[in-house]
Amino acid sequence: GAVVSQHPSRVICKSGTSVKIECRSLDFQATTMFWYRQFPKQSLMLMATSNEGSKATYEQGVEKDKFLINHASLTLSTLTVTSAHPEDSSFYICSASGASGISYNEQFFGPGTRLTVL
Amino acid sequence: GQNIDQPTEMTATEGAIVQINCTYQTSGFNGLFWYQQHAGEAPTFLSYNVLDGLEEKGRFSSFLSRSKGYSYLLLKELQMKDSASYLCAVKDSNYQLIWGAGTKLIIKP
Repeated sequence: GAVVSQHPSRVICKSGTSVKIECRSLDFQATTMFWYRQFPKQSLMLMATSNEGSKATYEQGVEKDKFLINHASLTLSTLTVTSAHPEDSSFYICSASGASGISYNEQFFGPGTRLTVL
Repeated sequence: GQNIDQPTEMTATEGAIVQINCTYQTSGFNGLFWYQQHAGEAPTFLSYNVLDGLEEKGRFSSFLSRSKGYSYLLLKELQMKDSASYLCAVKDSNYQLIWGAGTKLIIKP
């Protein structure tokens, strides 16, 4: 149990376009979802935390107008990178935690989305 | 500020034992996690400690001392597939995960 999926797994886009990444909890209700970014050979950097039905809380230095997060249901959160630029190229990973039998202490990670902006 | 320290890189031999240390200074403590991350993949959960002592799970064990702000991950009978980065993370008083930079473990035959 506690499976989190991400789509797409890999995306290449042109500079200036927007890219949407989906994160789904497949077998549990995720009351909280987290979005991370990871550059090569660096650790995870938390971008934002989103609770179902409310606005996301962004970490310092993360532009909320550039990285739009929607957590409309207990099983789906989306991250939209608007007007992507080459410096946005990174590995984006979502994680989810929730109730209903899943320990609130544990975050379950999706497989990640590798974004390359040309 | 909040800080998690762990070695950048370690090397060990197949079949041996390796201990990866993690020290932390955080505002409050609500548990410490160890995750494994293979290159190009997302992290996978290994262990969780909230009370002092040793938690054993197969070849992997994790130890916590809250008074010392210290944890270690012990890997026994190392296999080549254990080559990965190992991330230490602490949940602070706001239940936010503070991540270490990770320790890259290289296993040699």
